[in-house]
Amino acid sequence: GAVVSQHPSRVICKSGTSVKIECRSLDFQATTMFWYRQFPKQSLMLMATSNEGSKATYEQGVEKDKFLINHASLTLSTLTVTSAHPEDSSFYICSANSRPDLMALHFGNGTRLTVT
Amino acid sequence: LAKTTQPISMDSYEGQEVNITCSHNNIATNDYITWYQQFPSQGPRFIIQGYKTKVTNEVASLFIPADRKSSTLSLPRVSLSDTAVYYCLVGDIWDSGYSTLTFGKGTMLLVSP
Repeated sequence: GAVVSQHPSRVICKSGTSVKIECRSLDFQATTMFWYRQFPKQSLMLMATSNEGSKATYEQGVEKDKFLINHASLTLSTLTVTSAHPEDSSFYICSANSRPDLMALHFGNGTRLTVT
Repeated sequence: LAKTTQPISMDSYEGQEVNITCSHNNIATNDYITWYQQFPSQGPRFIIQGYKTKVTNEVASLFIPADRKSSTLSLPRVSLSDTAVYYCLVGDIWDSGYSTLTFGKGTMLLVSP
């Protein structure tokens, strides 16, 4: 149980284009979804937190106009990287939790974004 | 936010017990301790969580002393497939989604034959 599906697993795009990443909780309704970014050989950095139907809360230093998060339902959140640049190339990972154990985060398998 | 300190790396051999200790001196009263495992190019996987004393599940044990300023993840009889990065997280997640969880640098465990 508690499966989080992330799509696509990898994407290559040209500089200036936008890329959308989907995160779905397959067998549970997510209370909160979290988006992380991970650079090679580094730890996960939280980008933003979103609850269904609410605006996402972004961490300090994360541009909300560049990383658009939509949390339209209890099972789906999307991250859109707008006007992507090579420095946005990274591993993006989403996670979700649900009641009653909010502390147990269930992660997707990540999306490898390469901007050329 | 509770800061965690873990060894950067550890080496072990198949069949051995591995103990990874995490220091969290400024843990707050409401904070829980959670451990995750991450393989390359995959999302982290929840291993175990505890608040105090000892917690055991089918894959690991978590030992937390009375002062809660540290915790030890114990992996019994590791295999090659346990080679991964292990993260210790300390914090809380509110119902609103507000979270004090922060990923530290993690411990790279290498299991050799």
